[in-house]
Amino acid sequence: EPEVTQTPSHQVTQMGQEVILRCVPISNHLYFYWYRQILGQKVEFLVSFYNNEISEKSEIFDDQFSVERPDGSNFTLKIRSTKLEDSAMYFCASEEDEQYFGPGTRLTVT
Amino acid sequence: QKEVEQNSGPLSVPEGAIASLNCTYSDRGSQSFFWYRQYSGKSPELIMFIYSNGDKEDGRFTAQLNKASQYVSLLIRDSQPSDSATYLCALNFGNEKLTFGTGTRLTIIP
Repeated sequence: EPEVTQTPSHQVTQMGQEVILRCVPISNHLYFYWYRQILGQKVEFLVSFYNNEISEKSEIFDDQFSVERPDGSNFTLKIRSTKLEDSAMYFCASEEDEQYFGPGTRLTVT
Repeated sequence: QKEVEQNSGPLSVPEGAIASLNCTYSDRGSQSFFWYRQYSGKSPELIMFIYSNGDKEDGRFTAQLNKASQYVSLLIRDSQPSDSATYLCALNFGNEKLTFGTGTRLTIIP
């Protein structure tokens, strides 16, 4: 069964560093999303992407964040200058009719 | 602003009994409703979706939707220890971001 994959599974970075989180959505899906979940809190929407452009972004998704679909398969989330409060699980999801989540990347900012 | 409310639990249910999980929402325009299961440290896993008023059954799971009362529920029959997880209620308008509740932690007692 097709599934969403994400790399790396765990990323540790120092405050102020740039990180790139990678996702490979399910191949025939057209809608892609990034969510994050801070430990013990609810899953929060960051950004949605359709037809090679951002379709919606949340207040969390400020100028430090960007998304890209550099080729036909990868979908990336870049955080330009990480802060301590960016520490969270980051989930990629792709959708045809329902959203399926990848396994997540645990980002730890020290 | 869509709000999704869930009792955070924990909800303890004996093995073999029916577990009943509830969710209310604020936005009457919401069209699609989802139940995700999340094991500790893992990503949300889609287990049920429902779009129309009434009941929808899939194996041991039944989702119930009442749009007039803005209420969606999940019943798990013949509960198993492997059902112990946090259950997330989510909704959207279709092909857009999901809004999640905080989740209900379910524990099945052998």
